[in-house]
Amino acid sequence: DTAVSQTPKYLVTQMGNDKSIKCEQNLGHDTMYWYKQDSKKFLKIMFSYNNKELIINETVPNRFSPKSPDKAHLNLHINSLELGDSAVYFCASSLGTPGEAFFGQGTRLTVV
Amino acid sequence: GEDVEQSLFLSVREGDSSVINCTYTDSSSTYLYWYKQEPGAGLQLLTYIFSNMDMKQDQRLTVLLNKKDKHLSLRIADTQTGDSAIYFCAERDNAGNMLTFGGGTRLMVKP
Repeated sequence: DTAVSQTPKYLVTQMGNDKSIKCEQNLGHDTMYWYKQDSKKFLKIMFSYNNKELIINETVPNRFSPKSPDKAHLNLHINSLELGDSAVYFCASSLGTPGEAFFGQGTRLTVV
Repeated sequence: GEDVEQSLFLSVREGDSSVINCTYTDSSSTYLYWYKQEPGAGLQLLTYIFSNMDMKQDQRLTVLLNKKDKHLSLRIADTQTGDSAIYFCAERDNAGNMLTFGGGTRLMVKP
């Protein structure tokens, strides 16, 4: 069973489009995250949700809107996609302690 | 803000030991972590160390922490080709809410 699953794994889309990435965890964790990994492999947190409440929002453009319908899901919606949004987006979850996080396989987003 | 730095690349021969180094700036970090990322995969937590420890060993992995110099290292004994990956160190902020990652060290193991 996959612990943290993201869909889709690959996403290629044109500039200006709106797209969503879904994430689900079946570990019973209470905290979920979105990270962005750029082409140089630099990894930076974008959002963190604890029990469906936003606790971290790191200088991310308003075009990015996370939504957590329940503790097991954290989706990422991106409006008006730009070339610079091309990256690998990782979802992760943890039980309290952020370090002991389980990561999904990543979604490679390519904006053309 | 916090800053975590690592060297970009390390190449070793199979069977040798690998040492991956990391420096950080936040002296109030409580936990420091090592993650492994294989090609096309997510990050896998390898080990972590609490800031009041100076060493932790887990099978082939040894973590050394020099809190005075804010220096963290990961030693992999008897490195295997399957250890080839990118290794990220990370620190947890004082509030305990988020991780700051280093840029990753790409380890290449030659047969």
